[in-house]
Amino acid sequence: GQNIDQPTEMTATEGAIVQINCTYQTSGFNGLFWYQQHAGEAPTFLSYNVLDGLEEKGRFSSFLSRSKGYSYLLLKELQMKDSASYLCAVRDLTGANNLFFGTGTRLTVIP
Amino acid sequence: KAGVTQTPRYLIKTRGQQVTLSCSPISGHRSVSWYQQTPGQGLQFLFEYFSETQRNKGNFPGRFSGRQFSNSRSEMNVSTLELGDSALYLCASSLASGDGDTEAFFGQGTRLTVV
Repeated sequence: GQNIDQPTEMTATEGAIVQINCTYQTSGFNGLFWYQQHAGEAPTFLSYNVLDGLEEKGRFSSFLSRSKGYSYLLLKELQMKDSASYLCAVRDLTGANNLFFGTGTRLTVIP
Repeated sequence: KAGVTQTPRYLIKTRGQQVTLSCSPISGHRSVSWYQQTPGQGLQFLFEYFSETQRNKGNFPGRFSGRQFSNSRSEMNVSTLELGDSALYLCASSLASGDGDTEAFFGQGTRLTVV
């Protein structure tokens, strides 16, 4: 089975850096995704990791350690619009496009 | 390029009724996945269709079913609705067959309320 854990809530200050952690246990692993979801909106894709290491994309970076079953999403130069839920999802080895999501981390950015 | 379209956006049904939700994927996408999102459970995988075939199914009772048409549009059906079925139902479409950085694009969802 799959088990994905993330903190439920986090608060950070505008302009700061925040790291959202995700740990996972899966019967098979074929990639880890991070999605952003604003309240009342659809999740939107942020990043994808399948090999160990850091993937950087502008203000957002994502890190993966497969041996530790661990990933983090790093958000730099926080803006008020970054207040949203951040969803960690793992894809297994069935060859299908099903993702197993954590419950998400609700990030609140304060002035 | 149009995004993923889900209809209806909001729905109120009574316990015991059945409901059909619709999803039109991005043009050219052949994979459609369905998810249920609730505050306590997060996003939970329901099933995935690729080229009109169900490839994988999550841990939901048989009251939840789906299908995909030749134009890749998909429907999901929930029969004998229960109060606990109240949730946001999200559809996601993908270009290919579940490998590499195949990104899933989500629709806005259908908010189902069972009373």
